[in-house]
Amino acid sequence: QVQLVESGGGVVQPGRSLRLSCAASEFTFSTYGMHWVRQAPGKGLEWLAVISYDGSSKYYADSVKGRFTVSRDNSKNMLFLQMNSLRAEDTAVYYCARDVNVGSEHWFDSWGQGTLVSVSS
Amino acid sequence: QSVLTQPPSVSGAPGQRVTISCTGSRSNIGAGYDVHWYQQLPGTAPKLLIYGNSNRPSGVPDRFSGSKSGTSASLAITGLQAEDEADYYCQSYDSSLSGWVFGGGTTLTVL
Repeated sequence: QVQLVESGGGVVQPGRSLRLSCAASEFTFSTYGMHWVRQAPGKGLEWLAVISYDGSSKYYADSVKGRFTVSRDNSKNMLFLQMNSLRAEDTAVYYCARDVNVGSEHWFDSWGQGTLVSVSS
Repeated sequence: QSVLTQPPSVSGAPGQRVTISCTGSRSNIGAGYDVHWYQQLPGTAPKLLIYGNSNRPSGVPDRFSGSKSGTSASLAITGLQAEDEADYYCQSYDSSLSGWVFGGGTTLTVL
């Protein structure tokens, strides 16, 4: 059973930074791409970032490009999201999700339980 | 404003059939990218429901089915049950945005 457990959320002031973590287990982490997806309170899902299985490729949504950085440590089965210059509109539950790809198609087959980030003064 | 458009809500009585539409454009669904569907039960994380337009992961009942045509896709749920009450999201890839996109979500109410 794939397990993804996010941590690192909390209350942070606007303009400050926060680093989220996602601990992966029960699958070979180093062979899967990974995504971050967020959900603002009462709103829908928003894709944020993806990192390839080996960390060599990273892509971001325009809303976080230049502020957020995705990284991974395959030796520790960990995924990270460094969030800088946080804004009130970044308030959301942040999910990590495992990527499955067939050809050019990608979908998210397993999700963590999420960690809440609240940006407020 | 989501790139993929879904109705905000649908409802149906137990045992009935409902469909949820997902309308895109020529840069996502219409470009040939697959549509995937997720179910989010209240207070929980999303769960993969349909992948590759019409495929069900192991464990998903065959009451759930998906289809795609042109720039749109649909999720059908037959034999509605109370436990189907949830938010449903479609997802695809958008070549103009160079990223993955979701629909705004549809809340299913079982009357």
